[in-house]
Amino acid sequence: DQQVKQNSPSLSVQEGRISILNCDYTNSMFDYFLWYKKYPAEGPTFLISISSIKDKNEDGRFTVFLNKSAKHLSLHIVPSQPGDSAVYFCAASGDGNKLVFGAGTILRVKS
Amino acid sequence: DVKVTQSSRYLVKRTGEKVFLECVQDMDHENMFWYRQDPGLGLRLIYFSYDVKMKEKGDIPEGYSVSREKKERFSLILESASTNQTSMYLCASSFGGAPHNSPLHFGNGTRLTVT
Repeated sequence: DQQVKQNSPSLSVQEGRISILNCDYTNSMFDYFLWYKKYPAEGPTFLISISSIKDKNEDGRFTVFLNKSAKHLSLHIVPSQPGDSAVYFCAASGDGNKLVFGAGTILRVKS
Repeated sequence: DVKVTQSSRYLVKRTGEKVFLECVQDMDHENMFWYRQDPGLGLRLIYFSYDVKMKEKGDIPEGYSVSREKKERFSLILESASTNQTSMYLCASSFGGAPHNSPLHFGNGTRLTVT
């Protein structure tokens, strides 16, 4: 049973618009959440994280929102750029649980 | 910048062979990890290590073993490779403390094909 789900396998967005990537989790003990970005032929790179004591964390064009009651987090990229085209993984951990990754969402930003 | 280096980008091995995947990190990180990435399944943890000679099973350890004789090096061993171990293997490291509560630094991966 997947504890972290990214229900959209892919997303296509126009350059300059907002990209919203979604992630749902089932384990209420998760308290630390991360997003990673992966380009082809490279390893994932850490993008942004959020702990459960916050509901929002911002870093430049990237903002992560956490809705604990809905067990949902999202990554907003504004404005989207062609270089943002990659696979995005969300991940969660907490209460001694190992980090669990979602299946990933392929983002394509069209110029 | 943290550098995690995996010794091979591509490997092709035969069923039943013993396979070694090597990983070295240069930032004195305590924690090291081996994941495999498969389409539709994301990244799944095979083994991790929080100190030299220490190892812990991840979510899918069956068919694998690991070795950490030095802090900077973490090896993944497939004792007898099988076709269902064809995958992308990713090594990662992180600072000390809770192994699962700090960002991971990944290598570029090894694409292993078992025929």
